[in-house]
Amino acid sequence: GEQVEQLPSSLIVQEGASVLINCSYTDSASVYFPWYKQEPGKRLQFIIDIRSNMERKQNQRLTLLFDKKTKHLSLHITATQPGDSAIYFCSASIGSNTDKVVFGTGTRLQVSP
Amino acid sequence: NTKITQSPRYLILGRANKSLECEQHLGHNAMYWYKQSAEKPPELMFLYNLKQLIRNETVPSRFIPECPDSSKLLLHISAVDPEDSAVYFCASSLRQGTNERLFFGHGTKLSVL
Repeated sequence: GEQVEQLPSSLIVQEGASVLINCSYTDSASVYFPWYKQEPGKRLQFIIDIRSNMERKQNQRLTLLFDKKTKHLSLHITATQPGDSAIYFCSASIGSNTDKVVFGTGTRLQVSP
Repeated sequence: NTKITQSPRYLILGRANKSLECEQHLGHNAMYWYKQSAEKPPELMFLYNLKQLIRNETVPSRFIPECPDSSKLLLHISAVDPEDSAVYFCASSLRQGTNERLFFGHGTKLSVL
């Protein structure tokens, strides 16, 4: 079945730095890739997504790049703030059924003031 | 954010029976139960799409879902096991033939004594 890996598993940066989170998947049938942010003790919250017919998507300080050939995504966060501290999950959705969603292993980001 | 509400927030159980409740006010037609253990990725337990159940076959039979209507979801747990200690998230999505993001509730933290 689909496997979704994220690297790095954790990041510690100073406020204002930029970070890059990488995500790779295995199933070429995956077509939709939403990302979620989870602050400590809180729910997962959607932050950005991309579909397999796109290469790039931007939402304010977030830029998501997608390479269908290499089955790789990267999330770039600029001008990080302490409020960005959270675990970030990549996910892959296979076909037209959202039920076949596989979450990545997660990247813990800590932003120091 | 009261669009998806879950109760209770915290649950401490011995080997008792209990039910978790979820209600969404988003008009979504798919609802999910996810289990998240210790900062790991969420794992899908059950999905209801238009009240039809799709089950993750690895979920123990002591977990019984119920969907009384399209906006409500219950999870009945009997004779809990220590391995069941986790946060249980309800989620919903609007499924209309294309993949859509998930909206999560704030979760129920289950601690098994």
